[in-house]
Amino acid sequence: KAGVTQTPRYLIKTRGQQVTLSCSPISGHRSVSWYQQTPGQGLQFLFEYFSETQRNKGNFPGRFSGRQFSNSRSEMNVSTLELGDSALYLCASSLKGGAGEQYFGPGTRLTVT
Amino acid sequence: SQELEQSPQSLIVQEGKNLTINCTSSKTLYGLYWYKQKYGEGLIFLMMLQKGGEEKSHEKITAKLDEKKQQSSLHITASQPSHAGIYLCGADTSGTYKYIFGTGTRLKVLA
Repeated sequence: KAGVTQTPRYLIKTRGQQVTLSCSPISGHRSVSWYQQTPGQGLQFLFEYFSETQRNKGNFPGRFSGRQFSNSRSEMNVSTLELGDSALYLCASSLKGGAGEQYFGPGTRLTVT
Repeated sequence: SQELEQSPQSLIVQEGKNLTINCTSSKTLYGLYWYKQKYGEGLIFLMMLQKGGEEKSHEKITAKLDEKKQQSSLHITASQPSHAGIYLCGADTSGTYKYIFGTGTRLKVLA
């Protein structure tokens, strides 16, 4: 079974631009969660989508948004990029979401200059 | 302060030695997860603990959950260089499946 894939793996953007990251979950998994990982704040929960609906949201500004498609693939968008948005963005998929193991993708490393 | 505190922050051990990593929550735990991460890569699921007193093992790694103390420990027996990486504990402390993670423990195993 193919694992969670994320594209692109690396990205360099300029302040003020916007970016879209993509995540393809494991086949059959309906839950996709997004996390931001930085050296200072560690791993922080952004949001979770289940069957195309946002089910949970972390404490991030509205510049961070996401969506999930009918095939469970998910995208995350960050608008008006700030230097502090530089991070490793990880997505994780699970069968049902909620309590249960999550399978993480390799991440997208975003650098904002 | 962090809701999930991990200790130690880093650890260097000689191959073959045993080691323990602790994860302590300031809130009630509704589920505790252990993951391993290679630098700059995704997390690999190790174990999930849900009930107080629960103990699980996978190869040479054992994790226990002390619900009363709101604490979990991860023990590696006879460490090997392949155990090197960052160990993260994650938990649901609100009962709403919003997971939080500890700051991680960076483990280095010297051959």
